[in-house]
Amino acid sequence: GENVEQHPSTLSVQEGDSAVIKCTYSDSASNYFPWYKQELGKGPQLIIDIRSNVGEKKDQRIAVTLNKTAKHFSLHITETQPEDSAVYFCAAYAGTALIFGKGTTLSVSS
Amino acid sequence: EAQVTQNPRYLITVTGKKLTVTCSQNMNHEYMSWYRQDPGLGLRQIYYSMNVEVTDKGDVPEGYKVSRKEKRNFPLILESPSPNQTSLYFCASSFPNQPQHFGDGTRLSIL
Repeated sequence: GENVEQHPSTLSVQEGDSAVIKCTYSDSASNYFPWYKQELGKGPQLIIDIRSNVGEKKDQRIAVTLNKTAKHFSLHITETQPEDSAVYFCAAYAGTALIFGKGTTLSVSS
Repeated sequence: EAQVTQNPRYLITVTGKKLTVTCSQNMNHEYMSWYRQDPGLGLRQIYYSMNVEVTDKGDVPEGYKVSRKEKRNFPLILESPSPNQTSLYFCASSFPNQPQHFGDGTRLSIL
């Protein structure tokens, strides 16, 4: 079945810096890759997603890139702000199930 | 407001006492799913349902049951809870192959 690896597990940056989180997946049939942000006491919320026919997608300060050949995708957050501090999960959709990475705790200090 | 509602949000109970966590969505989604979240393990799928009366096992189904008698509801049943089922549980729903919407979670402690 699908396996998703996510790195790093923790990431600390200064306000205004960029943050990059990387994920790899194993099932070449996976065709949908969402990213979720989870704040304390809340459920994961979708922040951006990308489908396998697209190489890059951007939404304001957030961008996602996908390399299907290498089977990896990345989340890029520019000009980080303290409110970006949260746990971020990548996921890969494999037929009927969404398989999640183990999460990255991002801390943005001002 | 579009939402996924879970109840209860918190529950402390004892080993062997049957419990049900309810999940309801108001978005007419066909797909619903249950996950558990444990430190260092991320989100793992317990069961999912593609539509009414259609359910299937996820990665960690042992000790859980589900039912899908109506489109909007997808309860998670622990017939005989054990301490290793202490966890944070999330219900999610979506249209097929579309982003999943998550509830705010249910924290279960089984003593």
